Amino acid sequence: GDSVTQMEGPVTLSEEAFLTINCTYTATGYPSLFWYVQYPGEGLQLLLKATKADDKGSNKGFEATYRKETTSFHLEKGSVQVSDSAVYFCALIGYQLIWGAGTKLIIKP
Amino acid sequence: GAGVSQTPSNKVTEKGKYVELRCDPISGHTALYWYRQSLGQGPEFLIYFQGTGAADDSGLPNDRFFAVRPEGSVSTLKIQRTERGDSAVYLCASSLRTSGGTKNTDTQYFGPGTRLTVL
Repeated sequence: GDSVTQMEGPVTLSEEAFLTINCTYTATGYPSLFWYVQYPGEGLQLLLKATKADDKGSNKGFEATYRKETTSFHLEKGSVQVSDSAVYFCALIGYQLIWGAGTKLIIKP
Repeated sequence: GAGVSQTPSNKVTEKGKYVELRCDPISGHTALYWYRQSLGQGPEFLIYFQGTGAADDSGLPNDRFFAVRPEGSVSTLKIQRTERGDSAVYLCASSLRTSGGTKNTDTQYFGPGTRLTVL
């Protein structure tokens, strides 16, 4: 069945560092791909999405490109801030949302 | 408000009791989803409604779990004879529609969740 694998956390970085959180997927067909973010004490929020191969989703300085050849949707940000500390979830949707386990990101000042 | 709302925000109950969790989706959203999230894990799909009908209930763990959406808007997740293993955050999401086919691009918008604790 469909599945999502993302890198385990926590990931700890210093402010202004470059961020990559890896996400790979297994799916039949061509699902849409999402990154959701969950800030401490808050609900899940959509961060960005891509609906077809080579699409790039972007929001709040974060980017992810739908790579069909490597079945990946890695999340990147050039310069992280303390306020980016949260749990990040990669997900795909073919019929229903299939989630990765989440990666906790800790940014230190 | 404009977002998905869920009540109660917290529910503490005793093993064996019955609980109801409510979800009020974004107005006009025909698709509604229930998920369960345990600590340190991603959300686990439970059930999906398209309008009033349950289009996919394959994620419900057993027959103690049931959900309804009688008027195609508000949904209630019902858990009978609660067990300690049912403790989790129950999330509701809604989307404008689904394609109904093999490709679904609609963004799901999540409520804040209900934290259920079974003692």
